[in-house]
Amino acid sequence: RKEVEQDPGPFNVPEGATVAFNCTYSNSASQSFFWYRQDCRKEPKLLMSVYSSGNEDGRFTAQLNRASQYISLLIRDSKLSDSATYLCVPSGSARQLTFGSGTQLTVLP
Amino acid sequence: NAGVTQTPKFRVLKTGQSMTLLCAQDMNHEYMYWYRQDPGMGLRLIHYSVGEGTTAKGEVPDGYNVSRLKKQNFLLGLESAAPSQTSVYFCASSATGVSNQPQHFGDGTRLSIL
Repeated sequence: RKEVEQDPGPFNVPEGATVAFNCTYSNSASQSFFWYRQDCRKEPKLLMSVYSSGNEDGRFTAQLNRASQYISLLIRDSKLSDSATYLCVPSGSARQLTFGSGTQLTVLP
Repeated sequence: NAGVTQTPKFRVLKTGQSMTLLCAQDMNHEYMYWYRQDPGMGLRLIHYSVGEGTTAKGEVPDGYNVSRLKKQNFLLGLESAAPSQTSVYFCASSATGVSNQPQHFGDGTRLSIL
């Protein structure tokens, strides 16, 4: 099983829609989780950190299910500017993170 | 607030040439990382450092060397560039171990080897 698995997409949604991405991870010892967004050919930027059961920041909500080892990201009222690749990153060892190739989102006008 | 700064932003090399990529952070972070990202792929860890004077191998270290002589700087060297090293290189730093600290990224170096 891969350390991190995400549906690569692409997800194409209309502006204003609600979209959710799931991410499964294999390391049951992961304590922290991060969602990054990466625009085409740009650096990953931290979107949200998750240390407990979930986190919410404006239109973005992350939920963690430790028993099933998955974490989700919900985006409400999608904006054109939300178009990007979303990376789910669970902590692994204390020294390294494992980055998957992410889920591609395109918000259409 | 500079954060993580990478130089150069772009570079074209010929096969066999050498070069050094510089990463500088002004956040007093202990940990620093070098990744490469190929088209359509995720980030792959090349080398990392958990403090000044220390380095360790990541997932894809072959063909690269690193040095961390100063806490704020992490250098990535290509001794003899090969076309397979054409990629976008990202440097990142984190305050402490990544078990509870996110990484902050520089804006990348786009390297082409002819």
